Amino acid sequence: DIQMTQSPASLSASVGDRVTITCRASQDISNYLAWFQQKPGKAPKSLIYDASSLQTGVPSKFSGSGSGTDFTLTINILQPEDFATYYCQQYKSYPFTFGPGTKVDIK
Amino acid sequence: QVYLVESGGGVVQPGRSLRLSCAASGFVFSSYGMHWVRQAPGKGLEWVAVIPFDGSDKYYADSVKGRFTISRDNYQNTLYLQMNSLRAEDTAVYYCARVSMPYGLDVWGQGTTVTVSS
Repeated sequence: DIQMTQSPASLSASVGDRVTITCRASQDISNYLAWFQQKPGKAPKSLIYDASSLQTGVPSKFSGSGSGTDFTLTINILQPEDFATYYCQQYKSYPFTFGPGTKVDIK
Repeated sequence: QVYLVESGGGVVQPGRSLRLSCAASGFVFSSYGMHWVRQAPGKGLEWVAVIPFDGSDKYYADSVKGRFTISRDNYQNTLYLQMNSLRAEDTAVYYCARVSMPYGLDVWGQGTTVTVSS
């Protein structure tokens, strides 16, 4: 199975900051990587697919990059609604696996 | 509008069974693969199972293999998860999600809560 790791596990940031979250796969997954945002008590929301493609309706402040084993999610000009937990997920092979999540909270 | 609505969750004793449903609307259900993903209280997301659009090849997480069965009824636009021999560690919110390549898991339901406790 492909293992996914994320760093940091949590971070504190201020409104207006730029934040970067890293995701690493235990083996080459090409660009078969998605990013999700989850707020407390809500279902996950898909932000990015194929490592760098934005889902329809997702603001361009979110961007993804990487391929192979190393990936990043960047959020520009953090707004109050962006404080949430972010998960990466590989869909190169079953079982599809999620990273452990990165919680972004307000400093 | 595309919707997925889960139901069937509840409190169940260890060793018992439960069947979850996921009703789809707003899209051609029979054209899409579907997944179940769960989240234990205070924990991260765990992928559970997948079924392709035609119900052919199914895959399961090792943690549920042999106990859970994913199925679908393309006439009723409904996805199912039959959960047998439930354990305390199966306690979680269960989400169904649509897979739309290359977009991945692009639509999610609101989740249904399963609690396994004596």
